[in-house]
Amino acid sequence: DAGVIQSPRHEVTEMGQEVTLRCKPISGHNSLFWYRQTMMRGLELLIYFNNNVPIDDSGMPEDRFSAKMPNASFSTLKIQPSEPRDSAVYFCASSLGAFNEQFFGPGTRLTVL
Amino acid sequence: DAKTTQPNSMESNEEEPVHLPCNHSTISGTDYIHWYRQLPSQGPEYVIHGLTSNVNNRMASLAIAEDRKSSTLILHRATLRDAAVYYCILRVIQGAQKLVFGQGTRLTINP
Repeated sequence: DAGVIQSPRHEVTEMGQEVTLRCKPISGHNSLFWYRQTMMRGLELLIYFNNNVPIDDSGMPEDRFSAKMPNASFSTLKIQPSEPRDSAVYFCASSLGAFNEQFFGPGTRLTVL
Repeated sequence: DAKTTQPNSMESNEEEPVHLPCNHSTISGTDYIHWYRQLPSQGPEYVIHGLTSNVNNRMASLAIAEDRKSSTLILHRATLRDAAVYYCILRVIQGAQKLVFGQGTRLTINP
């Protein structure tokens, strides 16, 4: 298995632009997580899905952030409009079942100028 | 989520054992102890988890105190590839699926 796949690996954009991050979970996994990592705040969960349904989005910072999971093999995290403080590494993770280990993707490094 | 406390950093030598401590004095009876690590420029990866008994796998061992208020991750023979940030996390088996990461311990391995 290729593991969790994220794209793009790097994204540089200007303030105000829309940014879409993509994630393909490991085949067969039914839980998907989006995390954000910054120097100041460390690793924090933004949202997670079970069987394509959002379960907890309490970590989404504000309405500029939205996430979707249209099917079991694809998820997006969108930021519109983007701001410099959104600059971070965004990780996607997936797991099989409610309590099993999470497998993380390589991350997307986002820079908003 | 119950809180864990870890040293900010530790240093060890290659091919020597490493003991990474974690304090979790407010742990409840249903909290599992999980360890993840994050190598430079990579996403976190699962290392090991346990509830009450000590656990071993191919990566490491987990020693859990009898009162469960602390635990220790043991790398039996550290290599340079073990240099990473190690996170100790408590998870409630029937609670939220999310992982709540603290600041972790940055482990440096000297050649």
